[in-house]
Amino acid sequence: EVQLVESGGGLIQPGGSLRLSCAASGFTVSSDFMTWVRQAPGKGLEWVAVIYSSGVTSYVDSVKGRFTISRDTSKNTLYLQMNSLRTEDTAVYYCARLDTTVGFDYWGQGILVTVSS
Amino acid sequence: QSVLTQPPSVSGAPGQRVTISCTGSNSNIGAGFDVHWYQQLPGTAPKVLIYGKINRPSGVPDRFSGSKSGTSASLAITGLQAEDEADYYCQSYDSSLTSYVFGTGTKVTVL
Repeated sequence: EVQLVESGGGLIQPGGSLRLSCAASGFTVSSDFMTWVRQAPGKGLEWVAVIYSSGVTSYVDSVKGRFTISRDTSKNTLYLQMNSLRTEDTAVYYCARLDTTVGFDYWGQGILVTVSS
Repeated sequence: QSVLTQPPSVSGAPGQRVTISCTGSNSNIGAGFDVHWYQQLPGTAPKVLIYGKINRPSGVPDRFSGSKSGTSASLAITGLQAEDEADYYCQSYDSSLTSYVFGTGTKVTVL
């Protein structure tokens, strides 16, 4: 059974850093396309970053230069390193697997990141 | 501001048919990129409802159907049920933004 479990969220001050983790089971993170999607309180979904099976990464413009997506094959875990956090980064962050045919087919339960002083 | 526009809300009585539009452009839906639809029940993660414009994953009732024409796509729900109350999002890829994009989202209310 495919499962994704996020961790590492919490309250952080503006300008601070946080690293989210997403532990995967039931498939191999490095063999698939893995993404982070976020949802600000009461708002819609926003794609944040992707790491392809090749290792190539891509980001939404608003986080370029601040966020880094990566993976650890030995731990079968996806990460999102978030630096220079802003209040507008406050959201529930989901990790999701991206299938080329089906779209975002498996999602984690989501983890709340609150950026506030 | 999303490049895929959806109506903020739609509503219908049980048993009725409702449709949700997703309006894009020639750099996303009109360029031939796949359109997927997601259902997000309150307090839960989204789940795939329709993929590749018209296909349903196993377990999704055939009351849900998708279509596409030009730079727009639509999701139809026939025989509306109380359990269909949720937020619905379309999703595609935009070649100008080189970004995966979601629609603005539509809240479906069953009267």
